[in-house]
Amino acid sequence: NAGVTQTPKFQVLKTGQSMTLQCAQDMNHEYMSWYRQDPGMGLRLIHYSVGAGITDQGEVPNGYNVSRSTTEDFPLRLLSAAPSQTSVYFCASGSPETQYFGPGTRLLVL
Amino acid sequence: TQLLEQSPQFLSIQEGENLTVYCNSSSVFSSLQWYRQEPGEGPVLLVTVVTGGEVKKLKRLTFQFGDARKDSSLHITAAQTGDTGLYLCAGVSYTGFQKLVFGTGTRLLVSP
Repeated sequence: NAGVTQTPKFQVLKTGQSMTLQCAQDMNHEYMSWYRQDPGMGLRLIHYSVGAGITDQGEVPNGYNVSRSTTEDFPLRLLSAAPSQTSVYFCASGSPETQYFGPGTRLLVL
Repeated sequence: TQLLEQSPQFLSIQEGENLTVYCNSSSVFSSLQWYRQEPGEGPVLLVTVVTGGEVKKLKRLTFQFGDARKDSSLHITAAQTGDTGLYLCAGVSYTGFQKLVFGTGTRLLVSP
């Protein structure tokens, strides 16, 4: 099993550009989530999904969209990147109590 | 927003020393987890505690969930250099039962 995979590992964007962070898992987990990690602030939940077709907002959802068309994939879309979205993004799957994290995507918005 | 505060934020010790990391909140949690994160990687789950007063041991690591389910502690006995990393507590609250809230983290450096 590959577990949770994320692509790309690193991305530089200009303000206003859009992009999609990819996340896939091969553990057949219904629950998947996206977090951002900023220095001194721990991980903050952006969006989560409890199954295909079902998503909900977390603590910091503004500026991000998600969809869940399959159990395996949970992409995170930035529609118009802003410097405040510079962060490390982690995708996870499992359950709220037991989450397996991907290796992260480091995003720099100039 | 439920807040989980960790202390200390940073800890630098020598190999062989003992240490305790604290995770405190004013909110009640149905479960609480501890993760360890190494540079450039995602957090890795160490333990989940679900019962107030519960104590779990993982080799030299001892985890405790407070009786009121608002706080937790992580105690490491005879720290080793391999224990170096960022330790994160996280909780699932009764009001946000599908959302995991993370603490701000404790960065541990164990020197030989």
